[in-house]
Amino acid sequence: GAVVSQHPSRVICKSGTSVKIECRSLDFQATTMFWYRQFPKQSLMLMATSNEGSKATYEQGVEKDKFLINHASLTLSTLTVTSAHPEDSSFYICSAGDRRGNTGELFFGEGSRLTVL
Amino acid sequence: AQRVTQPEKLLSVFKGAPVELKCNYSYSGSPELFWYVQYSRQRLQLLLRHISRESIKGFTADLNKGETSFHLKKPFAQEEDSAMYYCALSSSNTGKLIFGQGTTLQVKP
Repeated sequence: GAVVSQHPSRVICKSGTSVKIECRSLDFQATTMFWYRQFPKQSLMLMATSNEGSKATYEQGVEKDKFLINHASLTLSTLTVTSAHPEDSSFYICSAGDRRGNTGELFFGEGSRLTVL
Repeated sequence: AQRVTQPEKLLSVFKGAPVELKCNYSYSGSPELFWYVQYSRQRLQLLLRHISRESIKGFTADLNKGETSFHLKKPFAQEEDSAMYYCALSSSNTGKLIFGQGTTLQVKP
């Protein structure tokens, strides 16, 4: 299947700093990527849809100025958590669909664990 | 509104016992439904989708539009089936997946 890679897998930062997480589709082009947030032993909550070459679409309740998404190329989307605070500590997961298969399946990255001190 | 509900947070069975993980959904259009699985320390991966009507690792799921359900079943659970299972619904317009709360399946020896 298609491969989605995230970097970094773990990041620890101080409160008030910004953190960037990258999501890459390694062997396919993704015009759309999705960013999820997962709390321990809980479900994945969709944060936003990242659209290549245009603005991201945010889900209700997600602050777009807090979670900046950039999808500058067909293989890369980035999520920047700005002025991070301890409550932003979470597991962030990206996903993308390989439309060549046209099955609706999404492929997931390995996730990035953010810890804000 | 689109919603996926998995009523059981934890399902614990003994090896060899039948398993049914429940999933109900609400969607105004024609749904595309999936089951994803997350094994310990691994990424989320697709288990099966309703369109393909396939059996993967002995698991099957049938879409019941009347009951708006997509329960996951396996006749004989194995220890290696222990994992977190998520039912998900795809919006055909946007392609995004909406996940249920997830059910942890624990298969005891």
